[in-house]
Amino acid sequence: DAGVIQSPRHEVTEMGQEVTLRCKPISGHNSLFWYRQTMMRGLELLIYFNNNVPIDDSGMPEDRFSAKMPNASFSTLKIQPSEPRDSAVYFCASREDILNTEAFFGQGTRLTVV
Amino acid sequence: QQQVKQSPQSLIVQKGGIPIINCAYENTAFDYFPWYQQFPGKGPALLIAIRPDVSEKKEGRFTISFNKSAKQFSLHIMDSQPGDSATYFCAASTGKLIFGQGTTLQVKP
Repeated sequence: DAGVIQSPRHEVTEMGQEVTLRCKPISGHNSLFWYRQTMMRGLELLIYFNNNVPIDDSGMPEDRFSAKMPNASFSTLKIQPSEPRDSAVYFCASREDILNTEAFFGQGTRLTVV
Repeated sequence: QQQVKQSPQSLIVQKGGIPIINCAYENTAFDYFPWYQQFPGKGPALLIAIRPDVSEKKEGRFTISFNKSAKQFSLHIMDSQPGDSATYFCAASTGKLIFGQGTTLQVKP
């Protein structure tokens, strides 16, 4: 398996624009996590899904952020409208199930909002 | 109650030294405690993990010590090498996987 695949790797956008980050989890994994990483706040959990259903979205910072998982092999994180303070590295991770096993991370998307 | 507190924020040791990174948690429902290692430009990768029914786990040069009553756990790196220079994260899980703030480790040659 190619691992967790995120796209794009880098995104530069202007304030106010819509940004969509994409994630393909490892095949057969049923749990998917979105994290945001900054120097100040570390790795923050934004939302996690199990069997394509959002289980906990308490980490989503504002209504400008939304996430979907339309099927087992694809998830998106959308920011609309984007703001400079959204600049960060966004990681997607997947694991086999909701039980406590290894979570595998993608390479991340570095988002810069100017 | 969902937080995991990690210290120190940064650590510098000489080659061969034994860096120790500490974490504390509040939620007694956590039942899985992994450590992740992250190199610049990469995603975090699992290093070693422990469950609360054991007090210590070793894998190679990496050891987790776990104190359930104190709700604390730590990572020890024996005979540290310059290649161990990275950021280390502790985490705790009930299904939801929560990370500490991270520790940047530098091992000097």
